[in-house]
Amino acid sequence: GAVVSQHPSRVICKSGTSVKIECRSLDFQATTMFWYRQFPKQSLMLMATSNEGSKATYEQGVEKDKFLINHASLTLSTLTVTSAHPEDSSFYICSARDPSGRGEQYFGPGTRLTVT
Amino acid sequence: AQSVTQPDIHITVSEGASLELRCNYSYGATPYLFWYVQSPGQGLQLLLKYFSGDTLVQGIKGFEAEFKRSQSSFNLRKPSVHWSDAAEYFCAVGAGGGYQKVTFGTGTKLQVIP
Repeated sequence: GAVVSQHPSRVICKSGTSVKIECRSLDFQATTMFWYRQFPKQSLMLMATSNEGSKATYEQGVEKDKFLINHASLTLSTLTVTSAHPEDSSFYICSARDPSGRGEQYFGPGTRLTVT
Repeated sequence: AQSVTQPDIHITVSEGASLELRCNYSYGATPYLFWYVQSPGQGLQLLLKYFSGDTLVQGIKGFEAEFKRSQSSFNLRKPSVHWSDAAEYFCAVGAGGGYQKVTFGTGTKLQVIP
């Protein structure tokens, strides 16, 4: 099946710094990728939809200036958490939509961000 | 707007016993339904999906789910649970087979006791 990778799997950063998370579709081209955030013991909340070559669409309540999304190629989307604060600590998961077939989403393994 | 309800936050079953995890959805048209499993600290793995056709869907790891339109339900079942099935299970509903955003339920944590 289709594989989506995320890098890094874990990252610890200091408050005020920025962190970039990469999401790659390894064996298919994804025109659309999604970024989710998961708080401990909670469900996934969609943050934004990333479309290759265009601006991301953010869900209500998500600060687009804080969570910068870039989808520069058909296999790579990045999420940059700018000026990170401890409350940004979370599990971030991306998914990529396979445009063939039924457009099913395939999920990456997630990135655990800890802001100290 | 679409929504998903998983009424059971936590379920404990004995190894070898049968399992049923409940999922109810709300969506105006024919839904696309999914069940995902998440092990601690891991990403999501698709167990099975329903798009159309046969309402009883077979998935990986011996799981199956039945779509019941009249009850707006898509319950997940397994006849005999293994200790390795302990994880968090998420039901999700999407439109257009995932072409539009997918909405997840709050999850059910499964504990398996010897």
